[in-house]
Amino acid sequence: SQTIHQWPATLVQPVGSPLSLECTVEGTSNPNLYWYRQAAGRGLQLLFYSVGIGQISSEVPQNLSASRPQDRQFILSSKKLLLSDSGFYLCAWSVPRRGELFFGEGSRLTVL
Amino acid sequence: QKEVEQNSGPLSVPEGAIASLNCTYSDRGSQSFFWYRQYSGKSPELIMFIYSNGDKEDGRFTAQLNKASQYVSLLIRDSQPSDSATYLCAVNSYGTASKLTFGTGTRLQVTL
Repeated sequence: SQTIHQWPATLVQPVGSPLSLECTVEGTSNPNLYWYRQAAGRGLQLLFYSVGIGQISSEVPQNLSASRPQDRQFILSSKKLLLSDSGFYLCAWSVPRRGELFFGEGSRLTVL
Repeated sequence: QKEVEQNSGPLSVPEGAIASLNCTYSDRGSQSFFWYRQYSGKSPELIMFIYSNGDKEDGRFTAQLNKASQYVSLLIRDSQPSDSATYLCAVNSYGTASKLTFGTGTRLQVTL
């Protein structure tokens, strides 16, 4: 069966520090991969998605970036965090051309 | 701008009753519709999806879709305290990637 893992689960970072969140999927090949953010009291916002290695689409302008160095690995990064980057970051995967999205456990980021 | 609207709640129902959760969407091009359950502090979990007009049943859950009215609902029969969570409605247009647009969720409380 397919599983998705992301880490770290929780992190507290100072403003201006870098960020790296990692996500891996097991049990499937060529998945579509996604990064969502859920800010307190707000809905899930799609940040990036990828349909293949090295293929990244950005949905919103921001100081975050994403990379997909391997088929089942997706990384979310920032060079300098802002206070507004705080939130619950969720990695997800789907089978191409199927709508169902499956989420990882999430990474809760607090920027101080 | 694609929008998905949900009443934030809380919706309070007694144990054993039917809980009815509603969602409207703005994009007439939406092709697939999803319900996720999210416990506090956890990631969303897919519980139902529906692609065609009408009803779809899975155990205690029934999803209902009316594309003409741009309306989708989730019924939970025999509600249990463990059903207490936030329920997120999400919609997707046809495409290679599952670029789901989420509502902000309805908080359900099942009381003893």
